[in-house]
Amino acid sequence: NAGVTQTPKFQVLKTGQSMTLQCAQDMNHNSMYWYRQDPGMGLRLIYYSASEGTTDKGEVPNGYNVSRLNKREFSLRLESAAPSQTSVYFCASSDGRRGPYGYTFGSGTRLTVV
Amino acid sequence: QKEVEQNSGPLSVPEGAIASLNCTYSDRGSQSFFWYRQYSGKSPELIMFIYSNGDKEDGRFTAQLNKASQYVSLLIRDSQPSDSATYLCAGPMKTSYDKVIFGPGTSLSVIP
Repeated sequence: NAGVTQTPKFQVLKTGQSMTLQCAQDMNHNSMYWYRQDPGMGLRLIYYSASEGTTDKGEVPNGYNVSRLNKREFSLRLESAAPSQTSVYFCASSDGRRGPYGYTFGSGTRLTVV
Repeated sequence: QKEVEQNSGPLSVPEGAIASLNCTYSDRGSQSFFWYRQYSGKSPELIMFIYSNGDKEDGRFTAQLNKASQYVSLLIRDSQPSDSATYLCAGPMKTSYDKVIFGPGTSLSVIP
């Protein structure tokens, strides 16, 4: 009953470095999401994937890329990290249907860019 | 106007009291709303959802939706110190109803 697993939990990057945040879910959900959370800003959608093989931009996609590797995995890549990308990143999944279906979130990745 | 707005608080209530958390939204077409609870340093967890006018009760929690006034609220009865957390209101994104947009959250502190 792992749910949504994110790795790593913590990361410090230097400006300009790249990294990939990994996310995997074992609930057979179709939809997966990447959010970032900043103080006072709430959760903001970066990218999402409605199903395997599809991805689309959210509210704040600049500086990020994603890959939906298969139904289980959805990764987020920072090609050239900037201090403005210091944040807590959450991956989430859902069954993707309309209606009152909520998300299941991973435990988060706390990223600091110096 | 932001799609989903909340008073950031902090809201403090004594143990045993009713905590009332409010959220307003801008899209009249929104049909369903969610309340998430987030403990400090943890990820959000879904605690309630509501998709019709009126009240929905689940234990000590009651969600209320008023579509005419475009607000949704969460009442927590008999508040406990373990209820101290940030509560996030979320509703469908105006441009795409299969995605959710979150409010900034209201911090609740229940004082023993």
